[in-house]
Amino acid sequence: DAGVTQSPTHLIKTRGQQVTLRCSPISGHKSVSWYQQVLGQGPQFIFQYYEKEERGRGNFPDRFSARQFPNYSSELNVNALLLGDSALYLCASSYRGLPQEAFFGQGTRLTVV
Amino acid sequence: RKEVEQDPGPFNVPEGATVAFNCTYSNSASQSFFWYRQDCRKEPKLLMSVYSSGNEDGRFTAQLNRASQYISLLIRDSKLSDSATYLCVVNKVSAAGNKLTFGGGTRVLVKP
Repeated sequence: DAGVTQSPTHLIKTRGQQVTLRCSPISGHKSVSWYQQVLGQGPQFIFQYYEKEERGRGNFPDRFSARQFPNYSSELNVNALLLGDSALYLCASSYRGLPQEAFFGQGTRLTVV
Repeated sequence: RKEVEQDPGPFNVPEGATVAFNCTYSNSASQSFFWYRQDCRKEPKLLMSVYSSGNEDGRFTAQLNRASQYISLLIRDSKLSDSATYLCVVNKVSAAGNKLTFGGGTRVLVKP
């Protein structure tokens, strides 16, 4: 079975641009969460979606948005990129949204120049 | 103050030795606790859940002290492959769902 897949794996963008990151959860998993991990720090919670509805939001500006599709895949969008948005963006999927069931994808490494 | 705090290390550990480190959390409403392992430039992976009574998984022992709001991880008979960053994670359930809060990680280097 395929694990959580994220695309692209690496991305370089310019300040002010917009970016869309994609996540396909493990088959049968209905919950997707997004995290931002800046180098040297732990992951920071951005969003959780369960059954296509937003179930939680972290302390991130409105430039960050996400959605979940009927097939449970998800997109994270970041507008007006800042240098500080450079990070590893991780997607985690689980069946019921329970943390002990969560599996992470390998992440998308975003560099903003 | 960060919600979850960890000593960043690194903890330099001779192969075969025992190492232990803690994590403190500030939100007394936190409901469940975990240790994740993250290898360099890889995704975090669940190492073990942490239960109130303490629990073991092979060479790994986790403890939870709710009164003092800290979690600990002990690794016995350290292997070279135990070199990684260990992330302490707390979970709080609300009407909005589960929210995992990660600490900054403790780096462990096991050396021959």
